[in-house]
Amino acid sequence: GDSVTQMEGPVTLSEEAFLTINCTYTATGYPSLFWYVQYPGEGLQLLLKATKADDKGSNKGFEATYRKETTSFHLEKGSVQVSDSAVYFCALTHDSNYQLIWGAGTKLIIKP
Amino acid sequence: DGGITQSPKYLFRKEGQNVTLSCEQNLNHDAMYWYRQDPGQGLRLIYYSQIVNDFQKGDIAEGYSVSREKKESFPLTVTSAQKNPTAFYLCASRRGAAYEQYFGPGTRLTVT
Repeated sequence: GDSVTQMEGPVTLSEEAFLTINCTYTATGYPSLFWYVQYPGEGLQLLLKATKADDKGSNKGFEATYRKETTSFHLEKGSVQVSDSAVYFCALTHDSNYQLIWGAGTKLIIKP
Repeated sequence: DGGITQSPKYLFRKEGQNVTLSCEQNLNHDAMYWYRQDPGQGLRLIYYSQIVNDFQKGDIAEGYSVSREKKESFPLTVTSAQKNPTAFYLCASRRGAAYEQYFGPGTRLTVT
């Protein structure tokens, strides 16, 4: 079945460092891909999405490119801030049923 | 402002009691979802509903029940049959043919 694999956390970085959180997927066809962010004690917020191969989703300085050839959707940010500390979830969905398949989440800690 | 509300934010119950978690949305979304999140874990789907008066079991439906009598509302009942009910519960909704889900702020349930 479909699955999403994220790099294990926590990922600890200093402020202004470059961020990459890896996400790879296994799925038939052409799923849509998402990154969600969860701040402590809160619900999830949609961060960005991409619906077809080579699409780049971007929001709040974060970017991710849908790479069909490597089945990846890695999240990147050029310069992180303390306020980016959160848990980041990668997810996919298909046309057929709209169910989201979730990665386990990656906790990001940014130190001043 | 449109959104999803979940109440209460914190809920405490004694073992053996049923408890109902509220989820309301004013986004006019057709589909609604309930997820469970345990500490340091990803999301697991409990139940979902694509239209009013219809709902389907997710991956971990045992010990839970739902109803969908109105488009705006999708309450979740945690019954005494649920072995480990203490968790963070998240409600989400999705518009028609769109893929992304939008989340409420969550309810943290503690059963002792």
